[in-house]
Amino acid sequence: EAGVTQFPSHSVIEKGQTVTLRCDPISGHDNLYWYRRVMGKEIKFLLHFVKESKQDESGMPNNRFLAERTGGTYSTLKVQPAELEDSGVYFCASSHTSGPTAQYFGPGTRLLVL
Amino acid sequence: EDQVTQSPEALRLQEGESSSLNCSYTVSGLRGLFWYRQDPGKGPEFLFTLYSAGEEKEKERLKATLTKKESFLHITAPKPEDSATYLCAVQGANNFNKFYFGSGTKLNVKP
Repeated sequence: EAGVTQFPSHSVIEKGQTVTLRCDPISGHDNLYWYRRVMGKEIKFLLHFVKESKQDESGMPNNRFLAERTGGTYSTLKVQPAELEDSGVYFCASSHTSGPTAQYFGPGTRLLVL
Repeated sequence: EDQVTQSPEALRLQEGESSSLNCSYTVSGLRGLFWYRQDPGKGPEFLFTLYSAGEEKEKERLKATLTKKESFLHITAPKPEDSATYLCAVQGANNFNKFYFGSGTKLNVKP
C-alpha cells in the first residue's frame, strides 16, 4: 500500500512569490491533515479535511494560506504571497477515520523563503 | 491549551544500554497519546497509540506506557538503528482531530 506522498520535496522561493504544495493521502483515507514545523519548534496543526470539506482550519496562520481538496482526493496548500517566516517543513497526514486514531505522515515539503 | 513536553531533548546511549524517554502532557480529556519515530529528512513514522492510563504497547525493543500525566517510551538493549527522533503527540476531547506534538527526543545509539 502506497503511503502519503508530497510534492515537491524541497522548494526555494523569494519573498512575495507564490508556492503550491501538494499532498496525496493513502488511498481510501477520507481524513487529511496539514501540519508545519518551523525552525526549532514542534510540529503544529494547520487544518483538517474530511473528504473535500474543511473540518478545522484553526491552525492556519493567516489568509495568505489557502488549502483545497477538490474531489476529496489530493490536497493543495498555497502560500501567496510567501513571507520569510513561512519557511519550514510542511507535513501532510491522513487517516481512515476521524478522532483518536493514528495519522500517517508524508515525508514533508521543505520550504525556504529568501 | 493542550501541551506536551518531552525529555530529555537529546540522549546518547551505548548499544545495549537501556533507557526511557518521557512525555508529559496537559490535556482536557485525553483521547489518545501517540508515539512516532522520525528519521532525518523523513516524516514521522507511527509507532504506538495509547488510550487510557495503565495501558502498555510493545514493538521489538520498544515499550510504551501511559499514566494520567505522562507516558514513557522504554528502549531495551537499543541498537544503532534505533537512533532517531522520537515524537509524542496527544489528542484531547476539545480538539480530537488535531495532534499536539512535543519537541521530541533525539536518540543516538553508539555501537
